[in-house]
Amino acid sequence: AQRVTQPEKLLSVFKGAPVELKCNYSYSGSPELFWYVQYSRQRLQLLLRHISRESIKGFTADLNKGETSFHLKKPFAQEEDSAMYYCALKPGNTPLVFGKGTRLSVIA
Amino acid sequence: DGGITQSPKYLFRKEGQNVTLSCEQNLNHDAMYWYRQDPGQGLRLIYYSQIVNDFQKGDIAEGYSVSREKKESFPLTVTSAQKNPTAFYLCASSAPTGVYYGYTFGSGTRLTVV
Repeated sequence: AQRVTQPEKLLSVFKGAPVELKCNYSYSGSPELFWYVQYSRQRLQLLLRHISRESIKGFTADLNKGETSFHLKKPFAQEEDSAMYYCALKPGNTPLVFGKGTRLSVIA
Repeated sequence: DGGITQSPKYLFRKEGQNVTLSCEQNLNHDAMYWYRQDPGQGLRLIYYSQIVNDFQKGDIAEGYSVSREKKESFPLTVTSAQKNPTAFYLCASSAPTGVYYGYTFGSGTRLTVV
């Protein structure tokens, strides 16, 4: 079965410190993976897609098929990065499967 | 201004009542989804529809029903059979498969049983 695991419910880092939000997936096919973010009092929105190999707001994520991981990284955390982050897997032509989320708190 | 609108923002239900949550989109998206968001549980799929007049159950469909009579609308009914309906409900839509730009989410409806 398809599954997305985010092992940390809460991650607290100091401003300027590196951030890594972990995501592991379970899927037998070729995965499409995403990170979604929900800022306080805002809608859930797409942050980035693995297929685009893009950097958004300084965040990057690399798909590691060997480790079945898609960790989200940022070298220097900012206070405005504080939010709820969800890793999501798209298993073929079926809806997204989300992890349970990690709340990132950046401390000034 | 294109987007997806959920209403109401807050909804209170008495025990034994059915309630309907509205979801409307003007993005011309074919697919629409309902997720339930609980603290520590992430988003769990209730129902989805990839085309008008067709929908499929998600992982936690019991106690819920949907309809998709129009492309723009995908209402969710929470029936009295749903044992623990207090939650935050999110509706989303997406463009046809093959043109994937991510899901567009509504602002959510918080349902509370009183």
